[in-house]
Amino acid sequence: DIQMTQSPSSLSASVGDRVTITCRASQGISDYLAWFQQKPGKAPKSLIFAASRLHSGVPSRFSGSGSGTDFTLTISSLQAEDFATYYCQQYNTYPITFGQGTRLEIK
Amino acid sequence: EVQLVQSGAEVKKPGESLRISCKGSGYNFANYWISWVRQMPGKGLEWMGRIDPTDSYTKYNPSFQGHVTISADKSISTAFLQWSSLKASDTAMYYCAIEEKYTSGYPEFWGQGTLVTVSS
Repeated sequence: DIQMTQSPSSLSASVGDRVTITCRASQGISDYLAWFQQKPGKAPKSLIFAASRLHSGVPSRFSGSGSGTDFTLTISSLQAEDFATYYCQQYNTYPITFGQGTRLEIK
Repeated sequence: EVQLVQSGAEVKKPGESLRISCKGSGYNFANYWISWVRQMPGKGLEWMGRIDPTDSYTKYNPSFQGHVTISADKSISTAFLQWSSLKASDTAMYYCAIEEKYTSGYPEFWGQGTLVTVSS
């Protein structure tokens, strides 16, 4: 299985901060990488697919980059509604695998 | 508007059987796979498997194969996740998600989740 490792596992930040979360795959996955946001008690929501393409309706403060094994999710200016847990997922190879999650908390 | 509506919460005993459902609307059912994702209490997301509802071709995560069955009924735009003998360790939230077959391939939309509690 392809292991997806996110860092950091948790992060404290303030409204207006720029935040970057990284995701590393244990082997190359081209750009078959998606990012999701999940708030407590809610289903995940899609943010980014194909490493850098925004899902419909996602604010432009979210961006993604990377290819191969190293990927990043950046939130350019944190808003109050962005405090949540973020997951990366590779969908290049079966079984599809997720990172362990990054919890973004208010400082 | 795309909607995935999952069946309601279930409380079962170990050894019992269960089938939960995910009904899609607002999109072309034939153009999307449906995946099931498990989230154990306080834990992360785990992909269980997916089905092509047009021909019921199914791909399982080896970690779940043999313990669950994924099926679909395209006539009612619904996918199912089934257990024949539940264990306490099956206690979790289960999500369905749809993935466009021909272009993007990623989970675009998610159901609201079905909480399954297995306890004696």
